[in-house]
Amino acid sequence: EVQLVESGGGLVQPGGSLRLSCAASGFSFSSYEMNWVRQAPGRGLEWVSYIGSSGSTKYYADSVEGRFTISRDNARNSLYLQMNSLRAEDTAVYYCARDGSGSYYSWGQGTLVTVSS
Amino acid sequence: EVVLTQSPATLSLSPGERATLSCRASQSVITYLAWYQQKPGQAPRLLISDASNRATGIPARFSGSGSGTDFTLTISSLEPEDSAVYYCQQRYNWPPITFGQGTRLEIK
Repeated sequence: EVQLVESGGGLVQPGGSLRLSCAASGFSFSSYEMNWVRQAPGRGLEWVSYIGSSGSTKYYADSVEGRFTISRDNARNSLYLQMNSLRAEDTAVYYCARDGSGSYYSWGQGTLVTVSS
Repeated sequence: EVVLTQSPATLSLSPGERATLSCRASQSVITYLAWYQQKPGQAPRLLISDASNRATGIPARFSGSGSGTDFTLTISSLEPEDSAVYYCQQRYNWPPITFGQGTRLEIK
């Protein structure tokens, strides 16, 4: 069974940093592209970042470019999102999602990030 | 950036009725369009990939159609558990990957 488990969310002050993790199991992690998608409270889904299977290709939404860094460790079956210079508008549930030719076949349960003083 | 516009914003129907949800793209995405269902407090679930391919385990009452800029998700006979928000998503012209704003489906 495919499982994606996010962790690392919490309350952080504006300007602070957090590192999210996503632990993958039940599939060959190193073969799949991965993404982070977020959802602000009461709002819709927003794509945040993409990483290719080897980790060499990365893309970001304009709203996080230069502040967030996606990475992966295929030996540890893990995906990461380093978030710096956090703003109130980054408050959201962050999901990791397994990519399959552009569709997200599997999602984690999400981790809540709250940016507030 | 490809903008996806979903309509209607809210749909209220009775069990057994047919639901038709629309997603319009600001430019052609060929058939690189997916549909997701999200229930309160849950992660989204993939329903349809590549405009018309039902994902594993998705009931046959869900179907997708369309190409280019106009797409439709049809639920042929509504069940109470179909109450949810439905999103479309494209990854043809990317980055960025974009989602529609969602359609809330209420079952009376």
